[in-house]
Amino acid sequence: NAGVTQTPKFRVLKTGQSMTLLCAQDMNHEYMYWYRQDPGMGLRLIHYSVGEGTTAKGEVPDGYNVSRLKKQNFLLGLESAAPSQTSVYFCASREQVGGEQFFGPGTRLTVL
Amino acid sequence: KNEVEQSPQNLTAQEGEFITINCSYSVGISALHWLQQHPGGGIVSLFMLSSGKKKHGRLIATINIQEKHSSLHITASHPRDSAVYICAVRGAGTYKYIFGTGTRLKVLA
Repeated sequence: NAGVTQTPKFRVLKTGQSMTLLCAQDMNHEYMYWYRQDPGMGLRLIHYSVGEGTTAKGEVPDGYNVSRLKKQNFLLGLESAAPSQTSVYFCASREQVGGEQFFGPGTRLTVL
Repeated sequence: KNEVEQSPQNLTAQEGEFITINCSYSVGISALHWLQQHPGGGIVSLFMLSSGKKKHGRLIATINIQEKHSSLHITASHPRDSAVYICAVRGAGTYKYIFGTGTRLKVLA
């Protein structure tokens, strides 16, 4: 099993450009999460999904959109990137009942 | 005040020392997790606790639900234990997690 994978690993964008980050998991997990990690701050929840076709806002959802068309994939979109979105983005998944979170390796995004 | 507070923020220890990292939280929880993040970024789950104590190798995690406090202990610390240790709680009745800002541990040989 690959676990949780994220693509791309690194990306540099110019202000105003758009991009999509892909998270994929092969553990048949129901719940998936997108977080951002910034220096001096804990991981903050952007959006999450409790099952295929569902999404919900987390703590810092502004400027991001998500989709979960297939159970194994959770996409995070930036429609018009801003320098404030420079961060490391982590995806995670877990089983529906209890269960620990499994994290992807992260995507380092820089917006110039 | 953050809902999840960790202490200390930074810790330097000599190889072999016994290490304790603390986590206090202010919300009702269904579970508490301890995570490890090595330089270069990957995050690994060490423990998930809802009560009592768990042990894995040289790592021990305890939780006191009444006092809303958890500790992570590392016995006979080693330089490879150098990492950031993160406490996270899953709020009672929610799907969401709240994370502490982490404790940066450096173990010197």
